[in-house]
This record gives sequence, C-alpha cells and structure tokens, in this order.
Amino acid sequence: GAVVSQHPSRVICKSGTSVKIECRSLDFQATTMFWYRQFPKQSLMLMATSNEGSKATYEQGVEKDKFLINHASLTLSTLTVTSAHPEDSSFYICSAGAGTGGRNEQFFGPGTRLTVL
Amino acid sequence: SQQGEEDPQALSIQEGENATMNCSYKTSINNLQWYRQNSGRGLVHLILIRSNEREKHSGRLRVTLDTSKKSSSLLITASRAADTASYFCATFTGGGNKLTFGTGTQLKVEL
Repeated sequence: GAVVSQHPSRVICKSGTSVKIECRSLDFQATTMFWYRQFPKQSLMLMATSNEGSKATYEQGVEKDKFLINHASLTLSTLTVTSAHPEDSSFYICSAGAGTGGRNEQFFGPGTRLTVL
Repeated sequence: SQQGEEDPQALSIQEGENATMNCSYKTSINNLQWYRQNSGRGLVHLILIRSNEREKHSGRLRVTLDTSKKSSSLLITASRAADTASYFCATFTGGGNKLTFGTGTQLKVEL
C-alpha cells in the first residue's frame, strides 16, 4: 500500500512556541491531505482538509489562525501549531487521499505526539 | 455530531475466540471502512465495503453492512494476541472526500 510519513514522531515544546509537523506521501501524489487530532483513548477528529495549491478547509470549531496548514506540493503538507499551549497536547495524524471510482481510501501517517509544557 | 458509535467500547477475549465489533452511523454513505490502530501509532486500513454490498471477507476478517439499519459489524475469527489494538469504523459520504470516524473499540486478546 501507499506510504505516508510524518515528522517528527514526537515533539516536546514550551508553551508559547510554534511547532511544525510535516506529512509526506512517499510513493504517490496526493492532491488532498487530511489532518486529524486524537486525544488518549478517543477517536480521530478531523481538523482540516488540505488541498494542494489552495487554502485548507477547516472543520467547525478549529481555529485556522492557530493551526496553519500549507500544502505546497503534491507530496507534502505541513501543520503548524502556533503559540502552543498545554491543551494543544495531543496526537496529530495526517492522511493522504488516494483512489477513484468511489473507493476513496486514505493512507495514514504514523502520527506525531505533541506535548506542550 | 456526525460521528458514528461503536460498541462495545472495550472487548477482552481469549486467543482463538472470535471478536465482533459493531458500528452505527447517522447519514447515508458511499462506503464504510474499517481501520486498526495499535497503541500510539497510525491507522492501518483493513477493509472497505461499498453501500451496495452486504458482506465482505478478507482473510480472518468479515464485514457486514446493513444500510437500512445504518450499521456495520466487523468479525475477527480465530483471534490472536497480535490482534490487540483499537478498531475504528469510518464512513465516507462523498462530500469533500472526508471520512467520519466512529468512537472505536479497544480489543484485547489474551493468551
């Protein structure tokens, strides 16, 4: 199957700093990437849909100025958590969309564990 | 919230037994997918079933879909300790290419 990588896998930062997370599709081009957030023992909540060459579409309740998304190429999307606070600590997972004809499978990255002190 | 619900939330069985997880959703769908997540890791796609399909098999996995009841089930037969993970259903409605995930079932298979 298609491979999606995320970097870094873990990051610890001080409150008030910004953190950038990269999501790359390694062996296919992804016009659409998705960013999810997952709290411990909970499900994935979609934060935003990232489209190559255009602005991201954010889900209701997600602050677009706090979670900056850039999809500069068909293989790379970045999520920047600006002015991070302890409540932003979470597991962030990206996925890249692939498939046609109604299949619409998503391939997920391994996730990034963010801890804000 | 459009998020689906899964039950049970947690399931503990002995190796060799079958495990059944159920998923209910709220809106009409294009397809339904099941994913597996090991603790602290990303998701692995297990199986996809289209809205016009009723049952699908893949190895030890069997998925059913009842669109009239807006529900799906995942059966893992002859479970192994390595099947221990969280399992999520996700529905695709076609709009925006988005997946909506269920609440998940934490499966523990004991030796």
